[in-house]
Amino acid sequence: DTGVSQNPRHKITKRGQNVTFRCDPISEHNRLYWYRQTLGQGPEFLTYFQNEAQLEKSRLLSDRFSAERPKGSFSTLEIQRTEQGDSAMYLCASSSGQGASADTQYFGPGTRLTVL
Amino acid sequence: GQQVMQIPQYQHVQEGEDFTTYCNSSTTLSNIQWYKQRPGGHPVFLIQLVKSGEVKKQKRLTFQFGEAKKNSSLHITATQTTDVGTYFCAGYGAGSYQLTFGKGTKLSVIP
Repeated sequence: DTGVSQNPRHKITKRGQNVTFRCDPISEHNRLYWYRQTLGQGPEFLTYFQNEAQLEKSRLLSDRFSAERPKGSFSTLEIQRTEQGDSAMYLCASSSGQGASADTQYFGPGTRLTVL
Repeated sequence: GQQVMQIPQYQHVQEGEDFTTYCNSSTTLSNIQWYKQRPGGHPVFLIQLVKSGEVKKQKRLTFQFGEAKKNSSLHITATQTTDVGTYFCAGYGAGSYQLTFGKGTKLSVIP
C-alpha cells in the first residue's frame, strides 16, 4: 500500500498526558498537512510542511501542539498536557507539490484521540 | 479569516433522485476542491476546479465553479446507494497553503 499511513489508529489517554502521532506520507510527496476533525465538522487545518520546513500554522494551534518533519519524510504531531477538548480525529495528508495535481491532497486513515 | 459554508447540512433522497450541494466562500478562491468521506472513513479527493466558470463531469457527478470564484456546486444525477457519505468542498485562499473545508453535506440514499 503506497498511500498515506498514520499510527496509531486509536489512542486513549488521560487528561494531562502527552501523546505523539506519526504520519508517513506518500513517497516523494514534499507537502504534508495535519488536520483535526470533530464529529459533524469538516477537517480543520492545523499545520503545513514543505519538505522539512513548517511553513504555515493555524492560529488555532495552541502552544501545546508541536509538529515536526525532521528529514522531510515522515512527520510527528505531539500534544502536551492533553485536555478533553483535544479529543478528535487527527488527519494527515500529503500532496506532490508538482504539476497539475500539485494541490491534490491524499488523506491518511487518521488517528482517533480520546482524552478521558 | 476565510470561511467556507455549505448547504444543506443533510440531504435524504430516494435512490434515483438527484442531489445538489452548494458551497460559498467568504473570499475569492484560487481553486476549489471536492472530497467525499464515507462513514468511518477519511476524505477522498474527487476533483479540483481552477478556472472561473469551470464545469467538470465525472460520470453522474457535475461540478461547477462560479464566475467570481467564490462559490461552487456538486450535482449528482440519479443517486445510488454507493453515493452515501459526506461531501466536502474546500478552498485555498490566494497565496496560502491552508485548505479551508466546509462543514460538509451528509447524503443519505434510501433504497
